[in-house]
Amino acid sequence: QSILTQPPSASGTAGQRVTISCSGSSSNIGQNNLCWYQQVPGTAPKLLICTNSGRPSGVPDRFSGSKSGTSASLAISGLRSEDEADYFCAAWDDSLSGRVFGGGTKLTVL
Amino acid sequence: EVQLVESGGGLVQPGGSLRLSCAVSGFTLSDHYVDWVRQAPGKGLEWVGRTRNKAKSYTTDYAASVKGRFTISRDDSKNSVSLQMNSLKTEDTAVYYCSRDVTGDYWGQGSLVTVSS
Repeated sequence: QSILTQPPSASGTAGQRVTISCSGSSSNIGQNNLCWYQQVPGTAPKLLICTNSGRPSGVPDRFSGSKSGTSASLAISGLRSEDEADYFCAAWDDSLSGRVFGGGTKLTVL
Repeated sequence: EVQLVESGGGLVQPGGSLRLSCAVSGFTLSDHYVDWVRQAPGKGLEWVGRTRNKAKSYTTDYAASVKGRFTISRDDSKNSVSLQMNSLKTEDTAVYYCSRDVTGDYWGQGSLVTVSS
């Protein structure tokens, strides 16, 4: 059971907008920077966006993130076939003195 | 160009030890944190531990699941971070990644560790 809760799956058709949620607590998302990663199976995770620092260069602005209280969400607009991947959220947890990840959401582009 | 390259993975028996290395280039290691993150086959990401930068006195933190068994060290002069893994268990089987900074802005390609008899 992951400390951060994500839906196991999400889907959408090409061109659509999809959102993926990440729920935590006051000791992690509520207090700290929240980041999202994309992982294509068999490859290393790639940083998409962090609430405090935005998108790294090279990440399309189709990817956006938001945070409210102890929850966060990743939105992907203009869905493309290459967006099919696993998505993970992560934050530092002050109570655990460690970084915590969500269980991951598998995005399928129909 | 920023790069992180893991090495040292392999097959080890339960109770054994293994040392992973993360060779970095393209940035000044002493200015940066480095995390180790692992991924068991077919599972999600699990944070293993962190070494902070020189400004934070190179302090370390570990996940409860590895505390007392794993040790992170670094040699800034050799641009290298190591993960010493002792008393390995079958549940430590995973691909181990090193990543840079609290945001994980750069990741290595990963090194597979298999703990099995």
